[in-house]
Amino acid sequence: GAGVSQTPSNKVTEKGKYVELRCDPISGHTALYWYRQSLGQGPEFLIYFQGTGAADDSGLPNDRFFAVRPEGSVSTLKIQRTERGDSAVYLCASSTGDETQYFGPGTRLLVL
Amino acid sequence: AQKVTQAQTEISVVEKEDVTLDCVYETRDTTYYLFWYKQPPSGELVFLIRRNSFDEQNEISGRYSWNFQKSTSSFNFTITASQVVDSAVYFCALSEARRGGNKLTFGTGTQLKVEL
Repeated sequence: GAGVSQTPSNKVTEKGKYVELRCDPISGHTALYWYRQSLGQGPEFLIYFQGTGAADDSGLPNDRFFAVRPEGSVSTLKIQRTERGDSAVYLCASSTGDETQYFGPGTRLLVL
Repeated sequence: AQKVTQAQTEISVVEKEDVTLDCVYETRDTTYYLFWYKQPPSGELVFLIRRNSFDEQNEISGRYSWNFQKSTSSFNFTITASQVVDSAVYFCALSEARRGGNKLTFGTGTQLKVEL
C-alpha cells in the first residue's frame, strides 16, 4: 500500500518568508508525528496528533511553528518568518497506535 | 529525560564482514520501546525492528540480529555478512509515552560504509 507522502520534497525560501509543508499519512493511521532532522543529527520530535487534535506540541521550538490536521488525515506544518536556522529536513511519520512509526521521505527546507 | 547514545559515528567494513552497531539508552520509564531505523542515501527512514522493554529475547531476521540487554541498557544491532546495500545511516530510538502518543528520541546515528 501507499506509504507516508510529503510535499514538497524540496523547498527553498528567503529569510522572513512563510512556508507550509504537507504530510499525507498512511490511510487509516490515526497518529501523526512531525520531526526535524538537522545535518548529521537524528530526528527531533516536534509535534504529535491523535486524530484532529495536537496531543503533544512540546517539541515545537517557538511560536513561529504551528501545525494543523483539520480532518484527521493530512497535516500541514507552518513556519512563519523563517530563519536560516530553520533549514533542515522535516520528517512526518504516522502510526496506528501500535508504537511503530512509519516515516515519509521528508521535505528538505533551505532558508537563504 | 530520555537519551540514546550511539557512540560510533562512522564504521567502515569490507563486504562479507560482520559488523555490530552499538546503542545505549537512558530512561526512567519501566515500559518503553526500542527501535532501529535505517536511513539510506535517499533519506527516507526505514523501520527495521521494535522491541518491548519486557521482552529481552534476542531476535534474528535474515542477516540482521538484535541483542537487547536491560542490565546494561543496550540494544545492539549486528549485520552478518555485510553487503554494499547495507551502507546507510542507522538510528537507534527510544519511545516515550507522554500525554498519549509515543514520541521517539533518536541517537545521532552511525554511518555504515560497506566497501567491496
